[in-house]
Amino acid sequence: AQTVTQSQPEMSVQEAETVTLSCTYDTSENNYYLFWYKQPPSRQMILVIRQEAYKQQNATENRFSVNFQKAAKSFSLKISDSQLGDTAMYFCAFTPANAGGTSYGKLTFGQGTILTVHP
Amino acid sequence: DTAVSQTPKYLVTQMGNDKSIKCEQNLGHDTMYWYKQDSKKFLKIMFSYNNKELIINETVPNRFSPKSPDKAHLNLHINSLELGDSAVYFCASSHGWGAGEKLFFGSGTQLSVL
Repeated sequence: AQTVTQSQPEMSVQEAETVTLSCTYDTSENNYYLFWYKQPPSRQMILVIRQEAYKQQNATENRFSVNFQKAAKSFSLKISDSQLGDTAMYFCAFTPANAGGTSYGKLTFGQGTILTVHP
Repeated sequence: DTAVSQTPKYLVTQMGNDKSIKCEQNLGHDTMYWYKQDSKKFLKIMFSYNNKELIINETVPNRFSPKSPDKAHLNLHINSLELGDSAVYFCASSHGWGAGEKLFFGSGTQLSVL
């Protein structure tokens, strides 16, 4: 069974500064995907960034980037130039890819980290 | 236009009642899901459907019965509601069932069982 652990229940950052959210996972799978989803107060989950385990290069989406350390099973999210709209709960998620490359949407989520961006 | 819409957004009901939550997506996706978020914000998949066929049932009590009349709709019916069913239920969809697929979530239905 896979597990995803987010060890920081809450984080805060000043607007325009940089913050890093931690995530570790445990799996015996070789092929898998990792995701960060954001849940703002509106409650809707929104994909922030995703990473395929086979790709060495860390994923980047505008101000969001990851530090993927496969051997350490670590997948942290860095948010640069933090904005007030980044205030949300952030979830790290894992899904293995079976032989056909499918997962049927079965994501395993971490406990979440509440991020507050202060003006 | 909301991509994945759920109704109702809030549902308050008594123990023992039967209730339904409706979900519709206008993205043309083939795959739809139900996820449950408990009071500690823990999210867990309940069901996964592809082209109206059930693919995953994550040992959910059989009081929960999903129904997909067509690819764009996945409804959730819950019989004999219990206190422990109180949670936020999210519908989601994706283009296919590849492991890297982006899931599009609805805004959730907060169910409170009294």
